[in-house]
Amino acid sequence: EPEVTQTPSHQVTQMGQEVILRCVPISNHLYFYWYRQILGQKVEFLVSFYNNEISEKSEIFDDQFSVERPDGSNFTLKIRSTKLEDSAMYFCASSDQGAGETQYFGPGTRLLVL
Amino acid sequence: ELKVEQNPLFLSMQEGKNYTIYCNYSTTSDRLYWYRQDPGKSLESLFVLLSNGAVKQEGRLMASLDTKARLSTLHITAAVHDLSATYFCAGDRSNFGNEKLTFGTGTRLTIIP
Repeated sequence: EPEVTQTPSHQVTQMGQEVILRCVPISNHLYFYWYRQILGQKVEFLVSFYNNEISEKSEIFDDQFSVERPDGSNFTLKIRSTKLEDSAMYFCASSDQGAGETQYFGPGTRLLVL
Repeated sequence: ELKVEQNPLFLSMQEGKNYTIYCNYSTTSDRLYWYRQDPGKSLESLFVLLSNGAVKQEGRLMASLDTKARLSTLHITAAVHDLSATYFCAGDRSNFGNEKLTFGTGTRLTIIP
């Protein structure tokens, strides 16, 4: 069964460093998302992406964040200068259509900022 | 802005018992989703409820949606240990394009033998 994959599974970085989280969505899906979950808390939306542009972003997704689909398969989240409060599990998700369709989540990348 | 609340936050129940998790949302949400998350793992889709009165069942789990009451329920029948997990409901807001999911706080379910 097709699935969303993410790399790395864990990332430890120093505050102020740049990180890139990578995702490979399900191959025929058109809509892509990033969510994050701070330990023990609920899942929060960061950004949605369709047709090579951002469709919607949350207040969390400030100028330090960016997303890109550099080729036909990868979808990346970049945090330009990490802060301690960026420590969280980051989930990528994809769906083959928009609203009303199941979003399939990847296994997540656990980011720890020291 | 859509807000989603679940209760209870924590639920400990014995095997074989029935229980219900409640999900309330604040404004119109045309669709309601239920996900399961095991500790340290990703979110697994359980149900997508698309319209008022929708009911879906899979094994010992049954989900329903009442859009007039802005309420969805996840009913667990004759619980077994394998159902121990955190359950999240989520809503989205619109019929247009790719909508973000707004998640509830989650219900951590523990099934005791």
